[in-house]
Amino acid sequence: QSALTQPRSVSGSPGQSVTISCTGTSSDIGDYNYVSWYQHHPGKAPKLIIYDVTQRPSGVPDRFSGSKSGNTASLSISGLQAEDEADYFCCSYAGHNTFVIFGGGTKLTVL
Amino acid sequence: EVQLVQSGAEVKKPGESLKISCKGSGYSFTSDWIAWVRQMPGKGLEWMGIIYLGDSDTRYSPSFRGQVTMSADKSINTAYLQWSSLKASDTAMYYCARRFCSGGSCYLGSYDIWGQGTVVSVSS
Repeated sequence: QSALTQPRSVSGSPGQSVTISCTGTSSDIGDYNYVSWYQHHPGKAPKLIIYDVTQRPSGVPDRFSGSKSGNTASLSISGLQAEDEADYFCCSYAGHNTFVIFGGGTKLTVL
Repeated sequence: EVQLVQSGAEVKKPGESLKISCKGSGYSFTSDWIAWVRQMPGKGLEWMGIIYLGDSDTRYSPSFRGQVTMSADKSINTAYLQWSSLKASDTAMYYCARRFCSGGSCYLGSYDIWGQGTVVSVSS
């Protein structure tokens, strides 16, 4: 099964909002509400920021929010800060044969 | 502090075998699922599979089934990823990650604790 499709890059200025899309199929994102998002600063371990499409783990600011429509999930970041500059990966459960797939990653640049 | 500590970087030749480790510390991981994730140079994350430390029940991604072997030793809170015959295309960073559980529920496809990664370089 192919990776989920994300834009290669997005950008925004401090204080602005950005949205990162993650497109899958009816066999993964479209069929399950098990989408997660990770923030990955190069050289560091990825960090879980959204699980189950919309839920934030403890300690993740509410500037980060997730949503889903059909086969596409989205991560929105409001009030952009310099430290938000990182790679963002989406991830979805894809059933009992494929199990889990990731997106290709999106590089967020804070201008 | 709850953390996963991975073994150090490896430099290997094609055809060699390798076993890397991921040790949990800060509490007992015996009821946890630990996933392995590959990141090839300049590429995205790829889910390889997952192992339950309690009884070593394992699930492999179809892309990695037969290519690697996952194992665990719950007595020492450690999961392993091994290759019997490395290829140059196995060159990558490998992460272990704990499946996220909270309030008695565990969440499919969500991983809250990640190791620092193990770089594997395979070259002749």
